Amino acid sequence: SQQGEEDPQALSIQEGENATMNCSYKTSINNLQWYRQNSGRGLVHLILIRSNEREKHSGRLRVTLDTSKKSSSLLITASRAADTASYFCAKNSGAGSYQLTFGKGTKLSVIP
Amino acid sequence: DAGVIQSPRHEVTEMGQEVTLRCKPISGHDYLFWYRQTMMRGLELLIYFNNNVPIDDSGMPEDRFSAKMPNASFSTLKIQPSEPRDSAVYFCASRKTGQSYEQYFGPGTRLTVT
Repeated sequence: SQQGEEDPQALSIQEGENATMNCSYKTSINNLQWYRQNSGRGLVHLILIRSNEREKHSGRLRVTLDTSKKSSSLLITASRAADTASYFCAKNSGAGSYQLTFGKGTKLSVIP
Repeated sequence: DAGVIQSPRHEVTEMGQEVTLRCKPISGHDYLFWYRQTMMRGLELLIYFNNNVPIDDSGMPEDRFSAKMPNASFSTLKIQPSEPRDSAVYFCASRKTGQSYEQYFGPGTRLTVT
């Protein structure tokens, strides 16, 4: 079954606004990662947050993790047209495994 | 450094034909993953290798699918015979032990089976 389900499925915002995407999962995790996929391209790793972390920042990205609610959020601040892409969360359960389980993603459109 | 390389980028074939997808991981990476992406099912892990050895192939949909990694710099995913429902984008990704858990993805192969 799919882990790491994102919502919303699609999000349309104006350039300069903030974009927030959410991800929920069902079982325990070792870490949770966010990836970006531009149309017709492969996925690109954005940020990783470990299960013992609550918040991480990378440039205009901010990721939070709430293990009690089994949820994570990705915030993109001051969005740009170039941020238009699909965003996926991916769960790693650890225990010696490096497998990632992806959700179906949030399609973000940033309107110039 | 070159990223993960996949070929072909696009493949159109008729039902019943054999299809072979190819992947070259990033040099020095010892894990290789094959994924399939469709609108309906999203991104699914098919199989992954560590040091050229298949570790988990539980995601391979059926016996028509097979994957090999004869050496550290090359892997193939073969579908024989192909069916229209195999139409999807197939991605290869790699990672290196000792680095972060992140995976590096190739550009994908878009397969269309008519």
